[in-house]
Amino acid sequence: AQKVTQAQTEISVVEKEDVTLDCVYETRDTTYYLFWYKQPPSGELVFLIRRNSFDEQNEISGRYSWNFQKSTSSFNFTITASQVVDSAVYFCALSDPSNTGNQFYFGTGTSLTVIP
Amino acid sequence: ETGVTQSPTHLIKTRGQQVTLRCSSQSGHNTVSWYQQALGQGPQFIFQYYREEENGRGNFPPRFSGLQFPNYSSELNVNALELDDSALYLCASSIRLAGGLQETQYFGPGTRLLVL
Repeated sequence: AQKVTQAQTEISVVEKEDVTLDCVYETRDTTYYLFWYKQPPSGELVFLIRRNSFDEQNEISGRYSWNFQKSTSSFNFTITASQVVDSAVYFCALSDPSNTGNQFYFGTGTSLTVIP
Repeated sequence: ETGVTQSPTHLIKTRGQQVTLRCSSQSGHNTVSWYQQALGQGPQFIFQYYREEENGRGNFPPRFSGLQFPNYSSELNVNALELDDSALYLCASSIRLAGGLQETQYFGPGTRLLVL
């Protein structure tokens, strides 16, 4: 069965600090996709990144970077030099094409607070 | 913004009533998925619609039903509302490719339902 675990419920950092959000997933499939979404207080889930299971290259986008390691089934997200606008709930999600509906399995989210 | 819209933004109903939530998908997207997000939790998959048919369902009772229209917009209907149905309901649109592969899901702002 597919499962996503985000062990960190809440994190607080001071502005300009780096912060890493952890995500561990479980799936028996060899083809799957991993995602990160940001949910600000307004509620809308904002897409940040998608990674397929065959691409283990780490990715950097501005202050954001992602570390995908199949050996440990982890897909961690790092924000460098955090800003107040980064305060939100961040969700990691897993999807695999083999299951009907391509449903996304979300973790319980990590609430990040960046203190000015 | 994703281009996915939902209406209404907020709704208050009483136990036993019925509710209809609406979603307009992003231009070019042919698939709509619905999720329920309880307070402090990650989104839970309700079902997905593709070509006007249900294409996968999560662990939700039959009183949760849906429709997809030829223009790919969608409705979520919930009958016999219960207190536990109070949640944020999110709609996500995506493109389903040949072979069943699905592109990234883009989410709308959600409808906050309160059942009293």
